[in-house]
Amino acid sequence: KQEVTQIPAALSVPEGENLVLNCSFTDSAIYNLQWFRQDPGKGLTSLLLIQSSQREQTSGRLNASLDKSSGRSTLYIAASQPGDSATYLCAVRRANNDMRFGAGTRLTVKP
Amino acid sequence: DVKVTQSSRYLVKRTGEKVFLECVQDMDHENMFWYRQDPGLGLRLIYFSYDVKMKEKGDIPEGYSVSREKKERFSLILESASTNQTSMYLCASTKDRVSYEQYFGPGTRLTVT
Repeated sequence: KQEVTQIPAALSVPEGENLVLNCSFTDSAIYNLQWFRQDPGKGLTSLLLIQSSQREQTSGRLNASLDKSSGRSTLYIAASQPGDSATYLCAVRRANNDMRFGAGTRLTVKP
Repeated sequence: DVKVTQSSRYLVKRTGEKVFLECVQDMDHENMFWYRQDPGLGLRLIYFSYDVKMKEKGDIPEGYSVSREKKERFSLILESASTNQTSMYLCASTKDRVSYEQYFGPGTRLTVT
């Protein structure tokens, strides 16, 4: 059974810091991995999608990497801003076409 | 931009009531999904659909049913609401089984009293 773990559960940093969020999964037989952002009481917004054949994806200040063999992904946020404060979730798509979500990392960026 | 909308942001229903949650996507996506999100449990898949009139059970289908009469609309039905169905309900869609980038609606927070 696929398990997805995100560490840390919560993170607080001062504005301007670079930071890394971690996602690990137990079954390497995945089709892709997706990172989402969720603001309190809202739905999920897709940030980055990495296909299983890819090693990383970049969008603006965000960079996500994928190491399938070790079952890990990282989301790197450069020059963090207070507006980045949210919960970040990763999800892996399994070969049988469903997704497993991590519990998320709650990020607070202090001005 | 893909848009996924849900009929209500907040709902309060009584135990035993029949509840309908509606989800509509406007990008001709084939696949649609219903999740619930609870603190400490994350997102769990209730039902999904790959085509009109087609449905498949997810991890926690008990107490729920779904309907997909049109490609753009996927409804979640609570036949007889119970307090343990108080949750945030999230609808999502993907273009097809290949691209599989999920787009989510804003969520419906349902409270059953």
